[in-house]
Amino acid sequence: KAGVTQTPRYLIKTRGQQVTLSCSPISGHRSVSWYQQTPGQGLQFLFEYFSETQRNKGNFPGRFSGRQFSNSRSEMNVSTLELGDSALYLCASSTGDTSTDTQYFGPGTRLTVL
Amino acid sequence: GESVGLHLPTLSVQEGDNSIINCAYSNSASDYFIWYKQESGKGPQFIIDIRSNMDKRQGQRVTVLLNKTVKHLSLQIAATQPGDSAVYFCAEKNTGNQFYFGTGTSLTVIP
Repeated sequence: KAGVTQTPRYLIKTRGQQVTLSCSPISGHRSVSWYQQTPGQGLQFLFEYFSETQRNKGNFPGRFSGRQFSNSRSEMNVSTLELGDSALYLCASSTGDTSTDTQYFGPGTRLTVL
Repeated sequence: GESVGLHLPTLSVQEGDNSIINCAYSNSASDYFIWYKQESGKGPQFIIDIRSNMDKRQGQRVTVLLNKTVKHLSLQIAATQPGDSAVYFCAEKNTGNQFYFGTGTSLTVIP
């Protein structure tokens, strides 16, 4: 079974621009979660989508948004980029059905904001 | 709020020795825990998990121990190898179906 894939792997943007990241979950998984990883803050939860609906949300500003499509693929959008948005963005997929559901991560998208 | 902490940010061990990585969590209602390994330039990789109704689980060269009384989780790696060098994260899942991650422990294996 193919793992979680993320595109693009690397992005360089300038302040004020917007960016869209894509995540394809493991086949059969209906839940996709997004995380921001920085050296100082570790893994910070952004949001989770399950069956095209946002089920959980972390403490990030409204500039960070996401969506999920009927095939469970998910996109994350960051508008009006700031220097502090430079990070590794990880998505993780799971079945989303049980309380002991394991999340499997993709390789991440490295975003650099100049 | 949730808080998952690791006791040591870095750990160095000799090749062949056993490694122990510790993690403290704050939510006594958390019912599921995972250890992840993250190598440079890669996403976190699942190592082993444990449910709150267990206190020990073993995998290949790895053992996870859960002490719910003191809200402590540990990962033991037997016969540590150079390929085990990575950052290790613990994660807890609360009843709200959301994961919280610790800040990570960087394990360095000395040949």
